[in-house]
Amino acid sequence: AQSVTQPDIHITVSEGASLELRCNYSYGATPYLFWYVQSPGQGLQLLLKYFSGDTLVQGIKGFEAEFKRSQSSFNLRKPSVHWSDAAEYFCAVGAQGGGFKTIFGAGTRLFVKA
Amino acid sequence: DTAVSQTPKYLVTQMGNDKSIKCEQNLGHDTMYWYKQDSKKFLKIMFSYNNKELIINETVPNRFSPKSPDKAHLNLHINSLELGDSAVYFCASSQRTANEKLFFGSGTQLSVL
Repeated sequence: AQSVTQPDIHITVSEGASLELRCNYSYGATPYLFWYVQSPGQGLQLLLKYFSGDTLVQGIKGFEAEFKRSQSSFNLRKPSVHWSDAAEYFCAVGAQGGGFKTIFGAGTRLFVKA
Repeated sequence: DTAVSQTPKYLVTQMGNDKSIKCEQNLGHDTMYWYKQDSKKFLKIMFSYNNKELIINETVPNRFSPKSPDKAHLNLHINSLELGDSAVYFCASSQRTANEKLFFGSGTQLSVL
């Protein structure tokens, strides 16, 4: 069965420091992978997605993610975090079978300290 | 203009009541979804409709009944509400399938007392 694991429930980073959020997936075929961000009281917004091609994908707000098939990972990175990046981040995989659906990880809460 | 709008934003009700949440998208998308987010932020798909046709129905109590009068609307009706139904319910849409970007509404916070 398809699944997504985000090992870190929460992470605290100093403003200006670099960030890496981890994501591992389980999927039998080539996955469609996504990172979404959720600010408090809001719905989710897509940061970036990977379907095929270049394994390093660029997204909005200065985020990037790298697909590593050998490690079944799709980690999200940002070189310099801003206080406004504090939010919940969800990794997700698009799964076929029984109708297309997006399966989300449990999320990682990012705290940014001044 | 809001792309995916759902109402109400907050819903507080007593156990045993019946309530509905409405969702509309103005993106011209073919597919709409209902997701439930629990208190630990875990997001789980409940239903998916493609052009008014139900294509995904996860293991959801039959007290939950989605209705899609047209492809721009997907409503969620819940009968005999229980304490465990308290959660944030998100409507979302995508152009065709879930292998594409999902556009989310801002959520409905349901509290069952």
